[in-house]
Amino acid sequence: AQSVTQLDSQVPVFEEAPVELRCNYSSSVSVYLFWYVQYPNQGLQLLLKYLSGSTLVKGINGFEAEFNKSQTSFHLRKPSVHISDTAGYFCAVSGLNYGQNFVFGPGTRLSVLP
Amino acid sequence: GAGVSQSPSNKVTEKGKDVELRCDPISGHTALYWYRQSLGQGLEFLIYFQGNSAPDKSGLPSDRFSAERTGGSVSTLTIQRTQQEDSAVYLCASSSPPYSEQYFGPGTRLTVT
Repeated sequence: AQSVTQLDSQVPVFEEAPVELRCNYSSSVSVYLFWYVQYPNQGLQLLLKYLSGSTLVKGINGFEAEFNKSQTSFHLRKPSVHISDTAGYFCAVSGLNYGQNFVFGPGTRLSVLP
Repeated sequence: GAGVSQSPSNKVTEKGKDVELRCDPISGHTALYWYRQSLGQGLEFLIYFQGNSAPDKSGLPSDRFSAERTGGSVSTLTIQRTQQEDSAVYLCASSSPPYSEQYFGPGTRLTVT
């Protein structure tokens, strides 16, 4: 089975500053990794995913994440945030077999301050 | 194409009443998930349907909660004898092979008074 840890429940950051949201996972098998974003009063939207290949993955809205197998991490980064990036961010992991153990982390609330 | 839809978007009910929440997954998606999200919190897994297999009900919090999926498509989550602690946003998601990435609906906000 897999598990996901997002140690930072809330991250405040000033507009135009860089941000990193941390995600660590635990798994005995190879995994796929995902980041979802949830804007206020909306459902979750896929931000980016790592399936295979390059460990640096680029997603929508200028976000990127890097898969680090040795550290079992998949941290999300953005070099310059905007007010509109204020949202909940959820890291998720699944096994390679379809439908296998899709697990979400507890989420990080990013607040971008003017 | 059309995404995952959920209805109603908002539901206010009195304690003790039964409610039904509906989810229409993306056409052709074989897997369907229900989650519960309390205000400002993470996702609580409720139930998972995969094709014609028996559903994974391991996340249902009590026997007041049940769900069905008819014809491998639409799903209904039923909460009987609602309690105030059932107040939350109920999210539905679907996915399709080969990858497990889930596509979410907008959710149903349930308020039990």
